[in-house]
Amino acid sequence: AQSVAQPEDQVNVAEGNPLTVKCTYSVSGNPYLFWYVQYPNRGLQFLLKYITGDNLVKGSYGFEAEFNKSQTSFHLKKPSALVSDSALYFCALRPNAGKSTFGDGTTLTVKP
Amino acid sequence: GAVVSQHPSRVICKSGTSVKIECRSLDFQATTMFWYRQFPKKSLMLMATSNEGSKATYEQGVEKDKFLINHASLTLSTLTVTSAHPEDSSFYICSAAPGLGWLGEQYFGPGTRLTVT
Repeated sequence: AQSVAQPEDQVNVAEGNPLTVKCTYSVSGNPYLFWYVQYPNRGLQFLLKYITGDNLVKGSYGFEAEFNKSQTSFHLKKPSALVSDSALYFCALRPNAGKSTFGDGTTLTVKP
Repeated sequence: GAVVSQHPSRVICKSGTSVKIECRSLDFQATTMFWYRQFPKKSLMLMATSNEGSKATYEQGVEKDKFLINHASLTLSTLTVTSAHPEDSSFYICSAAPGLGWLGEQYFGPGTRLTVT
């Protein structure tokens, strides 16, 4: 069975500070991992993905994530947060030809 | 990038009526489409997976006779909520993938807010 955990319901950071949104996973086989962002009353927007290759993945809007196989983690990071980054973030796991498993989501609030 | 649209974006209907939601992939052919339901500040709950030209595969606990899914073409899937009740009120999101075995990201529609009165 596959699973994704986002241990924090809420992350609060000050504008300009670095941010981290945590994600851990469990899967047998190759972990295809994704981060999505959702703004109020909108669908999900793709941020970045890890399929294979470099463990550090760079994505949209200055976000990046590091795949750590030994810790089974795929934390989302950004060096300097913006107020406009405030949104709901989802980590997702999608094995071969399969359906995605989403984490419960983490609400990021960036305060000015 | 790939664009997925949903129509309508918001719909209010009376209890007992049926509502159809359309999901279209605008610039690619979507062999596989997914329908999700999302409650406020909650994760996405996969309702069903549909492959073009075949019957949808429903997740456990999702009533196939209540949530009718049709994926008649490579660019269009529809979700019909039949005999809607207030508990069906929710945010429904579709997503699309270009092909079977696609390993990349899913492309999501903007969602449809359904309110049943």
